Amino acid sequence: ILNVEQSPQSLHVQEGDSTNFTCSFPSSNFYALHWYRWETAKSPEALFVMTLNGDEKKKGRISATLNTKEGYSYLYIKGSQPEDSATYLCAFISHTDKLIFGTGTRLQVFP
Amino acid sequence: EPEVTQTPSHQVTQMGQEVILRCVPISNHLYFYWYRQILGQKVEFLVSFYNNEISEKSEIFDDQFSVERPDGSNFTLKIRSTKLEDSAMYFCASMRQRKGELFFGEGSRLTVL
Repeated sequence: ILNVEQSPQSLHVQEGDSTNFTCSFPSSNFYALHWYRWETAKSPEALFVMTLNGDEKKKGRISATLNTKEGYSYLYIKGSQPEDSATYLCAFISHTDKLIFGTGTRLQVFP
Repeated sequence: EPEVTQTPSHQVTQMGQEVILRCVPISNHLYFYWYRQILGQKVEFLVSFYNNEISEKSEIFDDQFSVERPDGSNFTLKIRSTKLEDSAMYFCASMRQRKGELFFGEGSRLTVL
């Protein structure tokens, strides 16, 4: 059974704080790792697609790193804003097209 | 901007009834998925579909579930005989290529009474 874990489960930060979360996934049969942002009452929206060990991607204040050998990815948000409040999901894709979501990290940014 | 559309947005059904959830993926996408989220729980993979056949399915996707792409545009999920525990939000998603990102529909909420 493929297990994709995220930590922490939830996070409350003040506006302006920087924060990061972890996604752990199986290091074997790896094909790609995705990060999604999911706001309440909307559908998940892709942030990053990462495929190579050592990949680092950045979109504005949000960045992500990938370590496929040890099976983890970090998502960083610099200077959190209230509009960053959402659930952040990582998803592991295997070579057989199985895409397994992590448990999610619910971020709440207080003004 | 192209999007994945799902119908119905909400369906209420009696236990034991058949349900069909419909999805129209983005037109040039090749990989299709169904997921579900039971209230308060994590998003669970059900099935992936490529080249007109199932490429992978989870242990949840038993004989009561089936998927079809009957006409090259719709991608349907059928639950033959619904159970109470099938109540969930069902998401369809599509992807143009294996290294691409998933585009999700807005979900179909299924309530089984």
